[in-house]
Amino acid sequence: GAGVSQSPSNKVTEKGKDVELRCDPISGHTALYWYRQSLGQGLEFLIYFQGNSAPDKSGLPSDRFSAERTGGSVSTLTIQRTQQEDSAVYLCASSSRAGGATDTQYFGPGTRLTVL
Amino acid sequence: AQKVTQAQTEISVVEKEDVTLDCVYETRDTTYYLFWYKQPPSGELVFLIRRNSFDEQNEISGRYSWNFQKSTSSFNFTITASQVVDSAVYFCALFFGNQGGKLIFGQGTELSVKP
Repeated sequence: GAGVSQSPSNKVTEKGKDVELRCDPISGHTALYWYRQSLGQGLEFLIYFQGNSAPDKSGLPSDRFSAERTGGSVSTLTIQRTQQEDSAVYLCASSSRAGGATDTQYFGPGTRLTVL
Repeated sequence: AQKVTQAQTEISVVEKEDVTLDCVYETRDTTYYLFWYKQPPSGELVFLIRRNSFDEQNEISGRYSWNFQKSTSSFNFTITASQVVDSAVYFCALFFGNQGGKLIFGQGTELSVKP
């Protein structure tokens, strides 16, 4: 079956602009996660959705970052007033059970964001 | 503190050599899960294995094997008879129940297998 998909695959933007990154989880997966991968910080957790609610937003680095999930499926990560330090690969993952410790998170191909 | 350490930043081997990637974790939880993921040059993280804290049995899958030792808080990954296609960055990760859904990743080990 289809895996996690993300769009766009690459995004180049100018400092100060807003960007939206999209994630389509595996069909039927109720849990969705966003991570960020950058050279200096490795792989960092950003936010986790259980259905449409986000019980854990602890990884969002600032109030410029927000995310929503609608219909228990697609999620959008929005970064407002982008800064150069936001440049990274943004990874989305999904798992079949909300927050289930026994569940495996399957990752999408990522969106590479470059802020000029 | 919850932490995963992969002390080997880069490893280079010649094809057919065996190679072990080290992973050491820290957690005070008694229930937790450990994972290994592979990130090839294409960039997508590929799941390899999940192991829970109550199961210390070693696991073998083809050329891959994993050694979980709670006494040393380690979950090491061995590739036997390495191949060029094994070249990738490998991540060890920790999941514990009271932290919602997030995985704590190590810094990754970049494995280069030369022909």
